[in-house]
Amino acid sequence: DTGVSQNPRHKITKRGQNVTFRCDPISEHNRLYWYRQTLGQGPEFLTYFQNEAQLEKSRLLSDRFSAERPKGSFSTLEIQRTEQGDSAMYLCASSSNRNEQFFGPGTRLTVL
Amino acid sequence: AQKITQTQPGMFVQEKEAVTLDCTYDTSDPSYGLFWYKQPSSGEMIFLIYQGSYDQQNATEGRYSLNFQKARKSANLVISASQLGDSAMYFCAMSPIGTGGGNKLTFGTGTQLKVEL
Repeated sequence: DTGVSQNPRHKITKRGQNVTFRCDPISEHNRLYWYRQTLGQGPEFLTYFQNEAQLEKSRLLSDRFSAERPKGSFSTLEIQRTEQGDSAMYLCASSSNRNEQFFGPGTRLTVL
Repeated sequence: AQKITQTQPGMFVQEKEAVTLDCTYDTSDPSYGLFWYKQPSSGEMIFLIYQGSYDQQNATEGRYSLNFQKARKSANLVISASQLGDSAMYFCAMSPIGTGGGNKLTFGTGTQLKVEL
C-alpha cells in the first residue's frame, strides 16, 4: 500500500437516501482528514481524526454528516438524507507527524 | 482564521519555459506552513512542495520552487522547464503549525495552468 485509497470512486444517489464513503489512509499515518470540493473551488475542511479520536469538525459538517475512525485505521463518512447541495467531490487525506497531507483519489457524489 | 488568495484563474505557458503561479495569504498564526498541490483532470490532489514559515531558505523540489516572501505574505510557485504533463489545476494552501490541533488545510481557488507546444 503506497497511498491513500477511497471507495467508491463515484456514487450516484437519489435525494433523501443515505450514503457512506470509506477512506484507507497510508498505514503509518495517525492523522486523517476529510475535505469537500465543489466545482471550481478548492477543497474545504470537514473533519479531522488523530488516531481514533475526532478532534475537530467544521461548521460545514451538518447533523446529517457523521464520520468515524474505529481503531484508528480506516475512516467512514456517512451522509444521511442526502440533498442536491451535497453533490461534490469528497477527499480524504492522511499525514504522519510531518506537515504534508497526502490525498486519496476522492469520491465523487452526485445527488439526483 | 486563515485565507489564501490566488488571483490568476488561468495561465498559459509554452513548453520548456518557466512559469510563476501567484499566491498570497493572510493569517494570525505565528507559525504556519504553506503548500502547493496539483490537481489533474483525474481529480487527485498531488502534493508538490512545502514551506515552513520559519524556514530560512526557499523550498525546492525538482522543477518546483517556492518563492516565499514573508513580509509580503506571498508564496509563489515557480515551475521551471514546463512540460505538457504540467497542465492541471494548481492549489496553494496553508495550515497552522504547533497549535496542538490537526493542521487543517485552507485552500485558495486555484490556477488552471495550460502548457502549450
